[in-house]
Amino acid sequence: GNSVTQMEGPVTLSEEAFLTINCTYTATGYPSLFWYVQYPGEGLQLLLKATKADDKGSNKGFEATYRKETTSFHLEKGSVQVSDSAVYFCALGYGGATNKLIFGTGTLLAVQP
Amino acid sequence: DVKVTQSSRYLVKRTGEKVFLECVQDMDHENMFWYRQDPGLGLRLIYFSYDVKMKEKGDIPEGYSVSREKKERFSLILESASTNQTSMYLCASSSPGTSGTYNEQFFGPGTRLTVL
Repeated sequence: GNSVTQMEGPVTLSEEAFLTINCTYTATGYPSLFWYVQYPGEGLQLLLKATKADDKGSNKGFEATYRKETTSFHLEKGSVQVSDSAVYFCALGYGGATNKLIFGTGTLLAVQP
Repeated sequence: DVKVTQSSRYLVKRTGEKVFLECVQDMDHENMFWYRQDPGLGLRLIYFSYDVKMKEKGDIPEGYSVSREKKERFSLILESASTNQTSMYLCASSSPGTSGTYNEQFFGPGTRLTVL
């Protein structure tokens, strides 16, 4: 079946540090992969996505590459800001036209000035 | 600006009450979803709908039902609320996926439900 595993949090970093949040998946077929972000008190919003192997999604300085050989989609950012403090969810799209998502458990990122 | 709205941000109900959570989207999306979000468990799918009056159970449908009478509106119903249904409830909508490509789901701000 389909599943998503992401690293446990919380992750605490100083401003301008390098960020990696690991995400691995198991899937049948060829899923799309997503990173969503949830800022305090808000719903989820799409951060980036990739639809096929070797695709790189990027947005707001964040990047993730769809690696089929390692079944991974790790999120990276070269220099985090306090405003990046949020919960990050890795997700896998499946189910054809139903367009369902399976989410990881979420990783809380806290960036300190 | 595309939008998914939910009827309440915070709700407090008593055990045994019937609870209605409403979600409205303005993007003409066919697909709509209800999730609950709990710490350490991520988001879990309760129900989804792929068309008016069409619905399917998700991973945790027990204790919940849904209604979709109009394309833009998807309601989650707790027939008899219990304390273990205290949670954050998130609604989302999307256009259908196609072979090999899945689309973004757009989320509402969430309803934090407390059942006493």
